[in-house]
Amino acid sequence: NAGVTQTPKFRILKIGQSMTLQCTQDMNHNYMYWYRQDPGMGLKLIYYSVGAGITDKGEVPNGYNVSRSTTEDFPLRLELAAPSQTSVYFCASSPNPGQIAGYSNQPQHFGDGTRLSIL
Amino acid sequence: KNEVEQSPQNLTAQEGEFITINCSYSVGISALHWLQQHPGGGIVSLFMLSSGKKKHGRLIATINIQEKHSSLHITASHPRDSAVYICAVSSTGNQFYFGTGTSLTVIP
Repeated sequence: NAGVTQTPKFRILKIGQSMTLQCTQDMNHNYMYWYRQDPGMGLKLIYYSVGAGITDKGEVPNGYNVSRSTTEDFPLRLELAAPSQTSVYFCASSPNPGQIAGYSNQPQHFGDGTRLSIL
Repeated sequence: KNEVEQSPQNLTAQEGEFITINCSYSVGISALHWLQQHPGGGIVSLFMLSSGKKKHGRLIATINIQEKHSSLHITASHPRDSAVYICAVSSTGNQFYFGTGTSLTVIP
């Protein structure tokens, strides 16, 4: 199994450009997440999805959009890149939650990350 | 103030030493996670626990719900254990919070 696959691994953008970070998982997980990791900071949740057709904002959603048309794919879109969006982006997935509603309390499987620089 | 605090931020140990990394949190949780981030950036889930203690090989994770505290122990540390160890909690308020990580270097 490939697990969680993110592409690209590295990208440099100019201010104002747009791009889509791709994330796909082959584990049939319902829950998927996008995080950003800034130097010296903990991971911050951007958006998450509890299943195909359902997405919701995390802690830092501004400047980003997501879609979840299939169980496997959860792309993250930057419409107008800004220097503040320079970061490392991680996609993750997890199986269905237990009895607790909302966020999955199951272990998350992470992609290898996308290092994005905006100049 | 962060919802999840880890200590120490940086830790250097000699090979073979017993290592402890601490995590305190301030929210009600449904589960606590310990993650390992390798120098290349990949993140791996080590443990998920909501009570008691779990053990995988040389790694042991404990949690005290009353004290809102967890520890990750590494016995007989090895240079390949060098990584950043991240504590994260999934809260009862449907949020997921991460600590800033503990950078561990094990010297041969």
